[in-house]
Amino acid sequence: QVQLQESGPGLVKPSETLSLTCTVSGASMTSFYWSWLRQPPGKGLEWIGFIDDGGNTNYNPSLKSRVSITIDTSNNQFSLRLTSVTAADTAVYFCATYSRSSLAFDVWGQGTLATVS
Amino acid sequence: QSVLTQPPSASETPGQRVTLSCSGSSSNIGSNFVFWYQQFPGAAPKLLIYRDNQRPSGVPDRFSGSKSGTSASLAISGLRSEDEADYYCATWDDSLRGPVFGGGTKLTVL
Repeated sequence: QVQLQESGPGLVKPSETLSLTCTVSGASMTSFYWSWLRQPPGKGLEWIGFIDDGGNTNYNPSLKSRVSITIDTSNNQFSLRLTSVTAADTAVYFCATYSRSSLAFDVWGQGTLATVS
Repeated sequence: QSVLTQPPSASETPGQRVTLSCSGSSSNIGSNFVFWYQQFPGAAPKLLIYRDNQRPSGVPDRFSGSKSGTSASLAISGLRSEDEADYYCATWDDSLRGPVFGGGTKLTVL
């Protein structure tokens, strides 16, 4: 059973960099595309980007200039970096699997709130 | 402003059937599969429907998805109080080259 757990600071200062890590258990890092999404308080979902086990990435064009997703297959983790944050980046950040077969976000982490203030 | 358009709210009484809509364009719904996610307050979204009308294991057959042209629908029959949640549609967008979501519909079971 695949499980994902986000971790990282809950508070980030404006103009600084938000860094989050997702720890994967119950799955090989070759099994999925590994994704980050976010949800501002009271708003809808936004896809940030994903990465495969080879380090190939695909980012949301609206965030591409500020986003970096990396993967550490030896430690079963993948990470998100978002630079030059503003209050608009305050959101619950989710990591999730993106299945190559169903083409869906199959399994989600519980989410972590990152506040820019 | 979401790429896909969903009504912000819907309501129906227990036992009835409700249909939630999702509208897009030829570059997204019109040429790609549609997915539906259910989200309860304070929780992560859960995959409800994939590839337009397929249910993951464990999702009751009261939930069904359909698509026609550039629009999609999620139908919930035999509505229960525990179905009260936010529902999001999603698909791939060929222009943006990535997944896009609707703004979500908050379903209230009266």
